Amino acid sequence: SQTIHQWPATLVQPVGSPLSLECTVEGTSNPNLYWYRQAAGRGLQLLFYSVGIGQISSEVPQNLSASRPQDRQFILSSKKLLLSDSGFYLCAWSVIGEGQYFGPGTRLTVT
Amino acid sequence: SQKIEQNSEALNIQEGKTATLTCNYTNYSPAYLQWYRQDPGRGPVFLLLIRENEKEKRKERLKVTFDTTLKQSLFHITASQPADSATYLCALGANNNDMRFGAGTRLTVKP
Repeated sequence: SQTIHQWPATLVQPVGSPLSLECTVEGTSNPNLYWYRQAAGRGLQLLFYSVGIGQISSEVPQNLSASRPQDRQFILSSKKLLLSDSGFYLCAWSVIGEGQYFGPGTRLTVT
Repeated sequence: SQKIEQNSEALNIQEGKTATLTCNYTNYSPAYLQWYRQDPGRGPVFLLLIRENEKEKRKERLKVTFDTTLKQSLFHITASQPADSATYLCALGANNNDMRFGAGTRLTVKP
């Protein structure tokens, strides 16, 4: 069966510090991968998606970037965090024609 | 601009009754509509997907309808239980890389 891992579960970082969140998927090949952010009491905002290694599409211009160095690995990064980057970050995977399967999320607080 | 509205922020019902949640959209012609369940501090869990050419889909105690004329989906939970208490999200998209999420409805089922 397929599983999706995200780490860390929680993170507190100062403004201006770098960020690296990692997501890995097991049990499937060539999945579509997604990064979302969810602000408190809000819906999910799609940040990036990837249909293959090295292929990244950005939905929202911001100081975040994403990379997919391996088929089942998706990384979200920032060189300098802003206060507004605080939120719940979710990674998800899907195959064509089906729903999306989410990881446990990372709660990021920028102080 | 595209808009997705879920009928209310919160819905309270008595155990055993049918819960009905609404998802309305404007300025959109989605090919897919999906429903997810999200518990506090967790990632969303995929429940059901319905395509634009399908009127209704069922899974155990869940039923989803999709009316492209009214631009509305209804999500029903029959014989509701306290364990069904959660936030339910609808999501729409032309394809799985373009899914847009509503803000969610928080359902509370009281014993």
